[in-house]
Amino acid sequence: GAGVSQSPSNKVTEKGKDVELRCDPISGHTALYWYRQSLGQGLEFLIYFQGNSAPDKSGLPSDRFSAERTGGSVSTLTIQRTQQEDSAVYLCASSLNPFAGGTDTQYFGPGTRLTVL
Amino acid sequence: AQRVTQPEKLLSVFKGAPVELKCNYSYSGSPELFWYVQYSRQRLQLLLRHISRESIKGFTADLNKGETSFHLKKPFAQEEDSAMYYCALSTILTGGGNKLTFGTGTQLKVEL
Repeated sequence: GAGVSQSPSNKVTEKGKDVELRCDPISGHTALYWYRQSLGQGLEFLIYFQGNSAPDKSGLPSDRFSAERTGGSVSTLTIQRTQQEDSAVYLCASSLNPFAGGTDTQYFGPGTRLTVL
Repeated sequence: AQRVTQPEKLLSVFKGAPVELKCNYSYSGSPELFWYVQYSRQRLQLLLRHISRESIKGFTADLNKGETSFHLKKPFAQEEDSAMYYCALSTILTGGGNKLTFGTGTQLKVEL
């Protein structure tokens, strides 16, 4: 079946502009995660959605970052007033049963490469 | 706070040689550890998890709590093993989710 999809695959923007990144999780997966990978660094957690519950935003680096998940499916990550340090690959992942702990598998999308000029 | 360290950015081995990708972690609780792999032009995918104690594509990893390590091993490297490997530690989030903390990755290059 279809995996996690993300759009756009690449985004180039100017400093100060707002950007929206989209994630389509695997159908039926209740959990959705956003991570980012900056140059030379490992992936870092940003935000987690589970069903219709309030998201865990503990990884968002600043209040310029926000995300929503409509209807328990598609998610949009918004970065306002982008800065050059926001340049990174943004990855989305979904999983079927986040309450299963170590037996749950996160499936990753192909990522969106964001470049802020 | 949790931390995952992969000391090698690049590991180059010859085909048929043994492979060991190092991973050390720092976590006060009971760790749940994973290895993820990203082949060229493909997405990040799960290779194996310590809780399953299984061998995937000939790779195994044993959790050593005394040394806080979870090294990935394969006795005989194959050309198709060339990829970026990430070690990850899972911790529980509010609402039951699993936050993955990743190392910076090791690029494995298998030479003929």
